[in-house]
Amino acid sequence: KAGVTQTPRYLIKTRGQQVTLSCSPISGHRSVSWYQQTPGQGLQFLFEYFSETQRNKGNFPGRFSGRQFSNSRSEMNVSTLELGDSALYLCASMPGTVFRLTDTQYFGPGTRLTVL
Amino acid sequence: ELKVEQNPLFLSMQEGKNYTIYCNYSTTSDRLYWYRQDPGKSLESLFVLLSNGAVKQEGRLMASLDTKARLSTLHITAAVHDLSATYFCAVDRGTYKYIFGTGTRLKVLA
Repeated sequence: KAGVTQTPRYLIKTRGQQVTLSCSPISGHRSVSWYQQTPGQGLQFLFEYFSETQRNKGNFPGRFSGRQFSNSRSEMNVSTLELGDSALYLCASMPGTVFRLTDTQYFGPGTRLTVL
Repeated sequence: ELKVEQNPLFLSMQEGKNYTIYCNYSTTSDRLYWYRQDPGKSLESLFVLLSNGAVKQEGRLMASLDTKARLSTLHITAAVHDLSATYFCAVDRGTYKYIFGTGTRLKVLA
């Protein structure tokens, strides 16, 4: 079974630009979560989508948005990039359907975003 | 607001030694997870702990959960170099919103 894939793996942008990151979950998984990882703040939850609906949201400004498509693939968008948005962005998938207590999230390799 | 704290943040240990990483969380939680992250890589799931007194073991790693104390431990037995990585605990309250700890960067010296 293929794992979680994320594209692109690396990205360099300048302040004020916008960026779109993509995540393809494990086949059959319908829940996709996004996280931002930085040395200073650690791993922070951005949002979670299930069946094209945002179910949970972290404490990030409205510049961070996401969506999920009918095939469970997800994208996140960051508008008006700031230097502080430089980070590793990780997505994770899990079944999210009949919730089993032992379910855990499976993480993709991440997209390394650098804002200059 | 749910907060998760780990200690120590950094741990340098000799091969063959034992040590414990601690994970404290501030409010009740349904589940606790441990992950490993190698430099430049993504997170790999190690353990899922569901109930008070739960203990899971895999190789040289053993995780336990005390929900009354809101504490989980990750015990390393007879460390080897391959265990060098950053270890994270995470909790969720059944809402698919994981809150991660600060991470413990482990370096095992030969």
